Amino acid sequence: GDSVTQTEGLVTLTEGLPVMLNCTYQSTYSPFLFWYVQHLNEAPKLLLKSFTDNKRPEHQGFHATLHKSSSSFHLQKSSAQLSDSALYYCALSRLTTGYQNFYFGKGTSLTVIP
Amino acid sequence: NAGVIQTPRHKVTGKGQEATLWCEPISGHSAVFWYRQTIVQGLEFLTYFRNQAPIDDSGMPKERFSAQMPNQSHSTLKIQSTQPQDSAVYLCASSPGNSGNTLYFGEGSRLIVV
Repeated sequence: GDSVTQTEGLVTLTEGLPVMLNCTYQSTYSPFLFWYVQHLNEAPKLLLKSFTDNKRPEHQGFHATLHKSSSSFHLQKSSAQLSDSALYYCALSRLTTGYQNFYFGKGTSLTVIP
Repeated sequence: NAGVIQTPRHKVTGKGQEATLWCEPISGHSAVFWYRQTIVQGLEFLTYFRNQAPIDDSGMPKERFSAQMPNQSHSTLKIQSTQPQDSAVYLCASSPGNSGNTLYFGEGSRLIVV
C-alpha cells in the first residue's frame, strides 16, 4: 500500500545552518508529494507541492526535489531561521479507486536555536 | 475565502460524556477528511467523505466514534462515552477532490477528557 516515511522525529539546528528533512514514500502509482508546515497552535498549511513536470517547487526559501528513482521528496533550505521552528509533515496524494486520498508521514519537529 | 471552520476550538468534557465536533469545509470542496493529532501518534486518519458520501472510515475507532456529513456545508464527528485517551486535537480538512489538489486544514478542535 501507499505510505510515507519521515525518519527524523526531532531535529534541532543552529540558526544559519542548512536544513534537510527526509521524506521517502511507497506508492504503486505516480503520486503527488506535499510538505505541510504546522506552527504551534496553528493549522497545518501547505508549504510545497511536487510538480508533474519535474520542476523544483520553492517557497519561503524551502525547496524539495521529487526523485522518482529513489522515491524521495526531501525538504531543504540553505539557512535555517528561528521562525522555521515548526512541525513538518510530508504527504502523498493520489487517486484511489477514483477518489483522492492522502497519506501522511509521522512528522518531523524542527527546532532552530540561536 | 473563510477557509475550513471548526467549532468548538476547545472542549473539556468529563469521562463518559459525549462530544460533538463540527466542521464547515471550504465552499465547493467535494472531499472532507477528519484527522486526530497527538504528540505520540502524529496525524491519524479517521474518515473521509466525498460529495457527502462516506468513502473510507478505516481509521475510526468503531465503537464510540461516528461521523456524518448531512449536507455539503458541514460535517460532524461524534465521540460517545469519551475516554481520557480520546484527548487530542481533531482536525478537519477539505479539498477539491482531484488528484494533486491541496488539502486545506481547519485550526482544529482541542478535546480534553478529564
